[in-house]
Parts: sequence; structure tokens; C-alpha cells
Amino acid sequence: NAGVTQTPKFQVLKTGQSMTLQCAQDMNHNSMYWYRQDPGMGLRLIYYSASEGTTDKGEVPNGYNVSRLNKREFSLRLESAAPSQTSVYFCASSEDGARVYGYTFGSGTRLTVV
Amino acid sequence: KNQVEQSPQSLIILEGKNCTLQCNYTVSPFSNLRWYKQDTGRGPVSLTIMTFSENTKSNGRYTATLDADTKQSSLHITASQLSDSASYICVVSAAGNAGNMLTFGGGTRLMVKP
Repeated sequence: NAGVTQTPKFQVLKTGQSMTLQCAQDMNHNSMYWYRQDPGMGLRLIYYSASEGTTDKGEVPNGYNVSRLNKREFSLRLESAAPSQTSVYFCASSEDGARVYGYTFGSGTRLTVV
Repeated sequence: KNQVEQSPQSLIILEGKNCTLQCNYTVSPFSNLRWYKQDTGRGPVSLTIMTFSENTKSNGRYTATLDADTKQSSLHITASQLSDSASYICVVSAAGNAGNMLTFGGGTRLMVKP
């Protein structure tokens, strides 16, 4: 039972480089999310996808793009990485928008931009 | 603006002792409140969920309380174990149909020492 799988687990980028964070879930969930977690702060929503084919901005979308490739996969792209994007990124999925069943989180991607 | 404040930010206790973590929120309209446990290097995992009508809910040695009038919740850990060392995150869900209705607290980092 894999749940939510994120790759890579760790990444170091130089300022201006681009990369894509991958996320896949095997629970047939409709909704998927990307969060960032910074020290002392709550998780902040970057983008979410309520269902296959739809994506919406969250609280902190600037500098990011997303693709809901299919029901299983939701990727996050940094087109031109900045030091301010150094963070731990979590992908999550839920059956119903998380209000009743909550989220299943991946293990996170620790990204450092130098 | 919806907010969730947790206290203390960090806590150190001896193995076998009890502790209580606090969560105050200003999320409206309220739907439910969850406590998550986040082990180092892992994604958060749900411990309990409480709706408006619930005052207390237990999950093993974890007991959550909710006072919807004062908008406060607590998580009580009984007979702590070394494996309880983690961050505990309070998450409040607002009622609605959008995918971005969750507000995360900054977490309490608990360390249990032998």
C-alpha cells in the first residue's frame, strides 16, 4: 500500500534552474494538493486539483506551475528557482476535499535553492 | 483571515509523563478540526477528527478536546513514549466546497526524553 509517493526526496538547485516535483497516489482519490512547509509556519497551499482536469491556485502560487496529468499524478514545476523557494514540499491527496476523510500525505521533498 | 495558533511551539517531557498541547482558531464557518502527527522527515498523519458537536475524542493514548464556543482545542498525551517525539499539527477545516478550505497551525514540536 504505497499511498502517496513523491520524488525526489532531496534536491539542490542553483538559482534560475528549473525542476519538476512528481507526485502519484494509488488510492483513486479525486483531489490532490501541493503544500510547502517552512520552519515555524503552518503548511501553506501552493496549488490544488479538485478533480482530474482541473487545477486552482492556493495561498502561495507565485513561481510555481502544476499539471494534473491524470487521476493518479499531480506534478509541481519550478520554472526558475529562487532561494525563497527553499522548503519542504508535500503532496497530499483526499477523497472528498479533505473535510471528512482528511489528507494522505507523501513523505516530502526537501528542496534547497542556492 | 482564518488563523490557527498552537502553543507551546516546543515542549520537552520525560518518558511516562503526560502533556497537553493547545490550539486556538479563528476559522469561520467551522467544519471540523484535526490533529496530525508528523514524524521527522515524514508527512503528517491524522490522529483525530472532531466536528462541531463533539467535545472529546480519543485515539489510544491521545485525547483531543474541542470547545467550539471559545474556539479552542487541546491534544492530551498520556503516559508518553519515546515514539511520541514528533510535531503535532492542528488543522481546521472551513465549511465550503472549494479545495482550499484548510488552515494549518504552525505545530508543536514535542520531544520525549528517557
